[in-house]
Amino acid sequence: NAGVTQTPKFQVLKTGQSMTLQCAQDMNHEYMSWYRQDPGMGLRLIHYSVGAGITDQGEVPNGYNVSRSTTEDFPLRLLSAAPSQTSVYFCASSPAGLAGDDEQYFGPGTRLTVT
Amino acid sequence: DAKTTQPNSMESNEEEPVHLPCNHSTISGTDYIHWYRQLPSQGPEYVIHGLTSNVNNRMASLAIAEDRKSSTLILHRATLRDAAVYYCILRALYNTDKLIFGTGTRLQVFP
Repeated sequence: NAGVTQTPKFQVLKTGQSMTLQCAQDMNHEYMSWYRQDPGMGLRLIHYSVGAGITDQGEVPNGYNVSRSTTEDFPLRLLSAAPSQTSVYFCASSPAGLAGDDEQYFGPGTRLTVT
Repeated sequence: DAKTTQPNSMESNEEEPVHLPCNHSTISGTDYIHWYRQLPSQGPEYVIHGLTSNVNNRMASLAIAEDRKSSTLILHRATLRDAAVYYCILRALYNTDKLIFGTGTRLQVFP
């Protein structure tokens, strides 16, 4: 299993540009999520999905869109990049069901800089 | 969600045991205690979790106080590779939406 994969590893955008961060998992996990991590801070949840066709907002959803058309993929779209979106983005997945008793698997991250 | 409190940083020498504390005085009966760690420039990595009883796995041990208001992650013999930020997180049994990461404890390991 490759686990959770993310592309690209690094990206530089100009203000106003749009792009999609890719996330895929091969563990047949129902639950997937996107986090961002700013310097010196913990992770903050952007969006999450409990299964194909179902998405919901997390703590900091503004400026981002997601969709979940398959179990494997959960792309994150930046609609109009802003310098405040400069961050490291992590995708995570976990098995379905009751969340308290499961573990999340994280991807290696995408480092995004918006100039 | 209930909150956790951890020291900002801790130090250890290689091959010594490390005890990382976490306070969670407002924990509810259905909250699981999770530990993740994040090595430099990597994504978070699951370490261990438990509900009431102490837990052991290949990476670490988790000691949970009888009243569940605190817990301790135990690394039995620290290695240089264990230098990371360790996050103590509470996760409700039926909460499917998020892990709430605080700022964690930065563990330094010296040779």
